[in-house]
This record gives sequence, structure tokens and C-alpha cells, in this order.
Amino acid sequence: DTGVSQDPRHKITKRGQNVTFRCDPISEHNRLYWYRQTLGQGPEFLTYFQNEAQLEKSRLLSDRFSAERPKGSFSTLEIQRTEQGDSAMYLCASSPTSGVVGSTDTQYFGPGTRLTVL
Amino acid sequence: AQSVSQHNHHVILSEAASLELGCNYSYGGTVNLFWYVQYPGQHLQLLLKYFSGDPLVKGIKGFEAEFIKSKFSFNLRKPSVQWSDTAEYFCAVAGGGFKTIFGAGTRLFVKA
Repeated sequence: DTGVSQDPRHKITKRGQNVTFRCDPISEHNRLYWYRQTLGQGPEFLTYFQNEAQLEKSRLLSDRFSAERPKGSFSTLEIQRTEQGDSAMYLCASSPTSGVVGSTDTQYFGPGTRLTVL
Repeated sequence: AQSVSQHNHHVILSEAASLELGCNYSYGGTVNLFWYVQYPGQHLQLLLKYFSGDPLVKGIKGFEAEFIKSKFSFNLRKPSVQWSDTAEYFCAVAGGGFKTIFGAGTRLFVKA
């Protein structure tokens, strides 16, 4: 199965520590998204890459959050100085470029990384 | 700002009952509309999508949804649910950029 993979699947950290998550998209997909999901809510958009360019970033993404996709393949999401409110499931999704300008195509989701900040 | 509202957070049905899950969105421009499903222990996956054309779209496993532009709605339907449809269902909207906005989800439990 060559779906979207995420690593680690679970991360427990202490408040104030830095954490980094990795996402490997489906190989031919040039669009990559990061979302955060808390209990009882749907996925909340964090940021979007087309190839290596970060084209959109949510206002919710504070300065403690940074994402990269250096070679247009895998991506990392780093959270610095974690807070208890950062505890959530972090989802990555990828999609191919839609043939229609301005359209958003189907996103393929990974299993997520569950972060617990103590 | 775009938003998505799903009418029910929890729905319990018996097998063979009909299903309709409501979804309303707020956005004035052209939108792409999606329903995603998450079965227990599995990833989010696409159920169906609307980009343009026929407002009645059919998806996997007998699901369909109707886009009613005047009502800003994209309700999901299935005439006869099965126990295996037990899952969480998310309506999502993408418009005016790359951001996709998801609703809070509806947990469906189907009693065998």
C-alpha cells in the first residue's frame, strides 16, 4: 500500500519541549496539507504546500509552528515550546493537482500523529 | 470566512433505515464540496465529491449527495443503511483558495 504515511503515530512530550512530525505523501502527489483535529471536531486546516512552496498558512498557526517540504516530497511539521493546548491529532493529506484551475481535488489522508503534551 | 455546519453530531439508526445527514456551508463563490468518512480504526477517506455539473452526485457504497446552491446545502443520503456504515462522516468545502474547511462531523451508529 503506497498511501500517505506519518511518523510517529504517537508522541508524548512534556510542556516546553519541541516536537517534529514527518509526513510522506503519495509519491506522484504534488499537493500536501497539514491539519489538526481535536476531540469532537473535524480536521482544522493548518497549512498547504504545492511542491516545495508553502502557499497558504492558517492564522491559527502560531509562530511556534513551522512546516517544511524541502524537496517537494516529504514534509515536516515542528512545534516549538509545546503547550498542553497543542494536544491533538495531526493529520497529513496529499492530492494530485486538479486538472481544473482553482479546484481542490480529493485529499488522501494519512493515519495521523497523536500528540499528548503533559 | 468559510464555515461548514453539520446538523447532527450523533445519529442512531437501525439497519435498513434511510439516512440523511445535513450539511450547510457559507461561502459566496464557486465551491468544491466533499463528504469524507472515517470508519473505526481507519483513515479519513473520500465518500463523494461535487465540482460542477449534475448537482446529484453518487459515491461509494450507495451514498449520494445533492448540491442545492440556493440553500448552500450538500446533504448526504443513503436509502438503506447497513451495520458496516457505522462511522463518522465529515462534510467539507473548498473555495477561493487551497484551504478546505471541514464540519465537526456526524457520528453514525447503525444497530444490527
